[in-house]
Amino acid sequence: GQQVMQIPQYQHVQEGEDFTTYCNSSTTLSNIQWYKQRPGGHPVFLIQLVKSGEVKKQKRLTFQFGEAKKNSSLHITATQTTDVGTYFCAGQPNNAGNMLTFGGGTRLMVKP
Amino acid sequence: ETGVTQTPRHLVMGMTNKKSLKCEQHLGHNAMYWYKQSAKKPLELMFVYNFKEQTENNSVPSRFSPECPNSSHLFLHLHTLQPEDSALYLCASSGQWRGYTFGSGTRLTVV
Repeated sequence: GQQVMQIPQYQHVQEGEDFTTYCNSSTTLSNIQWYKQRPGGHPVFLIQLVKSGEVKKQKRLTFQFGEAKKNSSLHITATQTTDVGTYFCAGQPNNAGNMLTFGGGTRLMVKP
Repeated sequence: ETGVTQTPRHLVMGMTNKKSLKCEQHLGHNAMYWYKQSAKKPLELMFVYNFKEQTENNSVPSRFSPECPNSSHLFLHLHTLQPEDSALYLCASSGQWRGYTFGSGTRLTVV
């Protein structure tokens, strides 16, 4: 079955440093989505990428979808303590309806 | 409030008890999901319903029994659970070509 791998599993950064999490799918995707889960909270939808090579920005967050539509990354510039949480990617394979396969998540910790 | 409401927020139950988790959405979404989140497997899909019909059962033990009476409501009936079933149970819904909206979850402890 389809697998979505995410690295790193954990990342500690000093406030102001940059952060990147990487996502890799075993199969070609129709689209990829990113979610953020704050400690004690639930996953919240951030963004969806659909096109090969697509890049989208949300303030300090930059999302990329690979040319082969099998990998993606989330980059945060100048992290803040409010960025703390676990970031999940989720891939939707072709012909899978609305089914998503979630990666294992990257837990980001920011030292003030 | 996310648009997906889960009750109860916390539940402690004995291994011989029967309880139910409830999920409700009024977002007009046609698909609803149950996920289990634990330290070992961060987001583990359990069941998928599309237009009230179950389209996915991810090899879930029969002690978990889902019910979807209509497109807005989803239940997870629990009986004779094991301590390793203790986890956060998340309900989510989605429309066509959109991200999932998750509920706040039910934190389940089996004693």
